[in-house]
Amino acid sequence: GDSVTQMEGPVTLSEEAFLTINCTYTATGYPSLFWYVQYPGEGLQLLLKATKADDKGSNKGFEATYRKETTSFHLEKGSVQVSDSAVYFCALLSGASKIIFGSGTRLSIRP
Amino acid sequence: SAVISQKPSRDICQRGTSLTIQCQVDSQVTMMFWYRQQPGQSLTLIATANQGSEATYESGFVIDKFPISRPNLTFSTLTVSNMSPEDSSIYLCSVPGAGTYEQYFGPGTRLTVT
Repeated sequence: GDSVTQMEGPVTLSEEAFLTINCTYTATGYPSLFWYVQYPGEGLQLLLKATKADDKGSNKGFEATYRKETTSFHLEKGSVQVSDSAVYFCALLSGASKIIFGSGTRLSIRP
Repeated sequence: SAVISQKPSRDICQRGTSLTIQCQVDSQVTMMFWYRQQPGQSLTLIATANQGSEATYESGFVIDKFPISRPNLTFSTLTVSNMSPEDSSIYLCSVPGAGTYEQYFGPGTRLTVT
């Protein structure tokens, strides 16, 4: 079945560092891909999405490109801030409506 | 985007009891989803609730343990029955976005079973 594998955490970086969180998927066809974020004490929010191959999703300085050749959707940000500390989930849309999540990566940013 | 509220936001329950979680959406939606997020884990889909029909459960989840109601297009409940400490989790409901393939999530209900 469809699945998502993402980089294990926790990841700790200094402010202004470059961030990459790796995500790869296994699926039939070309599913829509997502990054969701869960800030401390808050609900799950959609960070960005890409619905077809070579699409680049972007939001709040974060980017991820849908790479069908490598079945990947890595999350990147050029300069992280303390406020980016959160848990990040890579996910895919399986079928018409079922979302399958990766295990989550906890990110902590040091001032 | 949809605005979703859940009640209660958190609860501490005794083993063997049941808790009903409510999910309210500010717009009419055909499908609603219930997820479980166990401590330190990812989200797992429990079931899909369609208005006017029985919920569809994912592998590993059964109606007797997690009965779901869907009385109208803006509301659903999930009951966690005969609870054990292993049921301690965050339970979230979600709804699909209109034509955008994404889902919007409620704030979650944090359940602790002692």
